[in-house]
Amino acid sequence: DQQVKQNSPSLSVQEGRISILNCDYTNSMFDYFLWYKKYPAEGPTFLISISSIKDKNEDGRFTVFLNKSAKHLSLHIVPSQPGDSAVYFCAASASGTSYGKLTFGQGTILTVHP
Amino acid sequence: DTAVSQTPKYLVTQMGNDKSIKCEQNLGHDTMYWYKQDSKKFLKIMFSYNNKELIINETVPNRFSPKSPDKAHLNLHINSLELGDSAVYFCASSRQGLAGGGEQFFGPGTRLTVL
Repeated sequence: DQQVKQNSPSLSVQEGRISILNCDYTNSMFDYFLWYKKYPAEGPTFLISISSIKDKNEDGRFTVFLNKSAKHLSLHIVPSQPGDSAVYFCAASASGTSYGKLTFGQGTILTVHP
Repeated sequence: DTAVSQTPKYLVTQMGNDKSIKCEQNLGHDTMYWYKQDSKKFLKIMFSYNNKELIINETVPNRFSPKSPDKAHLNLHINSLELGDSAVYFCASSRQGLAGGGEQFFGPGTRLTVL
């Protein structure tokens, strides 16, 4: 039972354009969401997060949007750069459960072409 | 000045062997985790320790035994290795008490191949 889903295995974008990565979840107890970025042969690195009390969080070129009624979140990268090419994982947790248990999606491979 | 380190990076072994993967974090975090990334690329939590105490154990076979000698180290010992254990194993750490789980810092991963 996959509680966090990233339905697009891959996304290809031109440099300078917007990249939009999507994530859906099914567990209504989730109240904190994170995006991680992963390069080959490295561990995931934290990118940005959002609490369920917000619907948007912005950090530089990265913005995460949360639609609780649709159980959907998205990561926008503007403008996209070739260095953004990586696998992006969406993750979710439920406060009040075991410390920091994150449930991850299966990842989306983003390729940004020069 | 690596934040979360794992050794070894690659591990190739025969079925039935016993092996260990070591993890160390120098971030002063109280909580450490082991994740498994399988062939389908899903990252799934296996264990979590907080101040050397086991707090998450996600229906992992008994052949997997985590050991936390102190809060900066969380090692993973695997007995009687099976083909299905082949995966990339990631160690991670985070500060205690962050609302909603908070940010976790990951090690570079250990690619285990069981022949």
